[in-house]
Formats: sequence, C-alpha cells, structure tokens
Amino acid sequence: DVKVTQSSRYLVKRTGEKVFLECVQDMDHENMFWYRQDPGLGLRLIYFSYDVKMKEKGDIPEGYSVSREKKERFSLILESASTNQTSMYLCASSFQGFTEAFFGQGTRLTVV
Amino acid sequence: AQSVAQPEDQVNVAEGNPLTVKCTYSVSGNPYLFWYVQYPNRGLQFLLKYITGDNLVKGSYGFEAEFNKSQTSFHLKKPSALVSDSALYFCAVYYGQNFVFGPGTRLSVLP
Repeated sequence: DVKVTQSSRYLVKRTGEKVFLECVQDMDHENMFWYRQDPGLGLRLIYFSYDVKMKEKGDIPEGYSVSREKKERFSLILESASTNQTSMYLCASSFQGFTEAFFGQGTRLTVV
Repeated sequence: AQSVAQPEDQVNVAEGNPLTVKCTYSVSGNPYLFWYVQYPNRGLQFLLKYITGDNLVKGSYGFEAEFNKSQTSFHLKKPSALVSDSALYFCAVYYGQNFVFGPGTRLSVLP
C-alpha cells in the first residue's frame, strides 16, 4: 500500500512563529503536492514539485515556501504564521502523468 | 482557467436508494477526471478516474461515474447507497501536472 505520512495530525502555533509541515511518501513518486482545505472552498494548491529541488507555485503560495531536498520528502514552511493560515493542510504524491494522487491524513493547523 | 463545479453542497439519500453526486468541468483540451472521497478527519482516497475510452467508469466500493463530453459532466453514481458511504466527495480535473478540485459535496445516507 502507498503511504503518504504527514508528521503531525494537529498543531497549534502562535502568530509570527515559523512552522514546518513535513510529508514523506514511500512509493518513489515524482510529484508531490501541498494543498490547504477550507470549508466551501475545496482543496487549493499551495505548491507542487515534480522532481527533487524543483518547485512550482500553485494558486495560493503567498506566505508559504517549500523544500524538496530528497525525492520522498516535501516540506511546507510557513515563514511567519498568521491566523488566516489556520486550516487543514493535505500533502499528496503521484507518478507523473494521468495517475491518481495519494493523500496523507492531513494536518489541522491552528494559529493563535 | 480550468475549473470544476459541484452544484450541490449536500446530497441526502435513503439507504438502499441510488445516489448521484454531480460534477461539471471546464478545461481546455481533453479532460482527465477523477473522483475522491474524504471520511472525517482523514485525507482523500481515490475512487475512480476517466482518461479515455468507455464513458462509464467503474471504481472502488461499487461507485461508477459517467463521462458526458457534450454536457461537460462527470457525475458519480451508485445503484444502492450504504450508510457507510456518508462522506465528503470531491471531483477533480488533472491539468498541467496537478489537480484542480471542486468545492466538494457532502453525502448523507440516512438509515
């Protein structure tokens, strides 16, 4: 079974903190994604990566950065957390091409 | 821009009845369409996809979806709903190496 593992299920951080969300996949997938999920808005793409050290901005990259130093790991960084970044964050991975993505269990981040 | 619409926020259906969750899309070029399901406090799980070929696609857990190019729709269906099908369902289109998701439809199957 494909496994996409996110480092935390729940996180509470203070405004202004630097926050790291980690994601690891074990299927040698080329593509990795970070989405945020908010009620009524569905999933919105923050960043994706199609190869090591490569990254592409998604629809809502402001306030976020990413790092992909190894193929299996994709990190999302909130440079200075703000309350409007309180959300569910979902990591996913897939092979390149028209194949399905596999999702982690999500990290519910609350910024206070 | 590519987009996916799910016109119903909520669908209620009685157990044993057929269910339909609607999806329409807007995409330039050929559409590559997916359905995912999300159970409470979980990530999304893949149900089925349409890439090419037969317009009726069968997937996991007895779900199927019908691709209609003229109506730009990809509705999810199941002949007989189960209470355990209650979840949040997302339609998505694959474009430019990533997925564009609809806003989701909450399905409630009532015993």
